[in-house]
Amino acid sequence: AQSVTQLGSHVSVSEGALVLLRCNYSSSVPPYLFWYVQYPNQGLQLLLKYTSAATLVKGINGFEAEFKKSETSFHLTKPSAHMRDAAEYFCAVSGGNQGGKLIFGQGTELSVKP
Amino acid sequence: EAGVTQSPTHLIKTRGQQATLRCSPISGHTSVYWYQQALGLGLQFLLWYDEGEERNRGNFPPRFSGRQFPNYSSELNVNALELEDSALYLCASSIQGVGEQYFGPGTRLTVT
Repeated sequence: AQSVTQLGSHVSVSEGALVLLRCNYSSSVPPYLFWYVQYPNQGLQLLLKYTSAATLVKGINGFEAEFKKSETSFHLTKPSAHMRDAAEYFCAVSGGNQGGKLIFGQGTELSVKP
Repeated sequence: EAGVTQSPTHLIKTRGQQATLRCSPISGHTSVYWYQQALGLGLQFLLWYDEGEERNRGNFPPRFSGRQFPNYSSELNVNALELEDSALYLCASSIQGVGEQYFGPGTRLTVT
């Protein structure tokens, strides 16, 4: 069965600092991997996706993620945090026999200090 | 291009009542998914509909049901509401069950 683990339920960075949100997945088949962002009282917005093309994936708002098969990781990074990046971030996996559904990690809340 | 829309935004019901939530997918998307986001429980998959058929179901009791209409819109019905059904219900759509899913703003269901 597929699963996703996000390390750290809360991450706090200073404005301008590097953002690193960690995601590890478990999958017996080549996965599709996604990062979503959720702002307070809103739905989920797709940041980026990995679908077996380039291992370094660039998304919206300056975020990118690198797929590392050997480490079963798909960590999300941004070189310089902005106050507007404060939100909850979810890593998700789909594929195989999961029937189209996304399996989400537990989420990481990102706080950005001025 | 219009995104996924959901109605109502908020819904307040009493325990034992029924709730109906509605979702309209992005134009051209045939698959609709429902997820529950309850406090402390994360995002849990509920149902997947494609081409009018239920394709997959999460680990929820039968009182959670739904359907997909010929125009691909969908509704989620929750019968015999319980307090723990209070959550944000998110609808998503995709092209034929493949690839990324696009989410609506959600319906906040409160059961008192």
